[in-house]
Amino acid sequence: KQEVTQIPAALSVPEGENLVLNCSFTDSAIYNLQWFRQDPGKGLTSLLLIQSSQREQTSGRLNASLDKSSGRSTLYIAASQPGDSATYLCAVDTDRGSTLGRLYFGRGTQLTVWP
Amino acid sequence: NAGVTQTPKFQVLKTGQSMTLQCAQDMNHEYMSWYRQDPGMGLRLIHYSVGAGITDQGEVPNGYNVSRSTTEDFPLRLLSAAPSQTSVYFCASSYEAPGTANTGELFFGEGSRLTVL
Repeated sequence: KQEVTQIPAALSVPEGENLVLNCSFTDSAIYNLQWFRQDPGKGLTSLLLIQSSQREQTSGRLNASLDKSSGRSTLYIAASQPGDSATYLCAVDTDRGSTLGRLYFGRGTQLTVWP
Repeated sequence: NAGVTQTPKFQVLKTGQSMTLQCAQDMNHEYMSWYRQDPGMGLRLIHYSVGAGITDQGEVPNGYNVSRSTTEDFPLRLLSAAPSQTSVYFCASSYEAPGTANTGELFFGEGSRLTVL
């Protein structure tokens, strides 16, 4: 079964810092990896989707990289702002037919950016 | 675009009552799914559907029932509510099912917070 681990579980940084969130997964046979953001009391919002053939994706101050063979992804947030405070989750699928329709989530990293 | 719409946002039930959580999407997505989110447990998949007329069980299906008669709607039925079903429920959809090359982003609803007394 695909297992997803996110480190650290929580992170508190001052505004302006560049930071890295980590995601690792046990089965490298994936099609896609997604990073999500969840604000308190809200649903998840997709930030970036990386296909297995890609190495990275960028959106504004966010950059996500994927090393499929080692089962790792990182989400890089540049020049962090208080508005970035949220929980960040990563999720992967697998390309094994028996798991069609299943997406495996990590527990998330709770980020606090203070002014 | 409305995206994924869930109703109700809040619901209180008594043990043994039944109810249906509604989910609708207007993006013509083939894949729809239901998750529950509990503190310390993360997101857990309840049921999912890879297309109209097709449903399958996820990680924690017991006590829940689903159907997919149209592409747009994917209701989740609680048959006889139990306190263990107190949770926040999320509906999510994507163009195709995870585990395919063309899955696309997964879009979530705002959640339905259910309390069972």
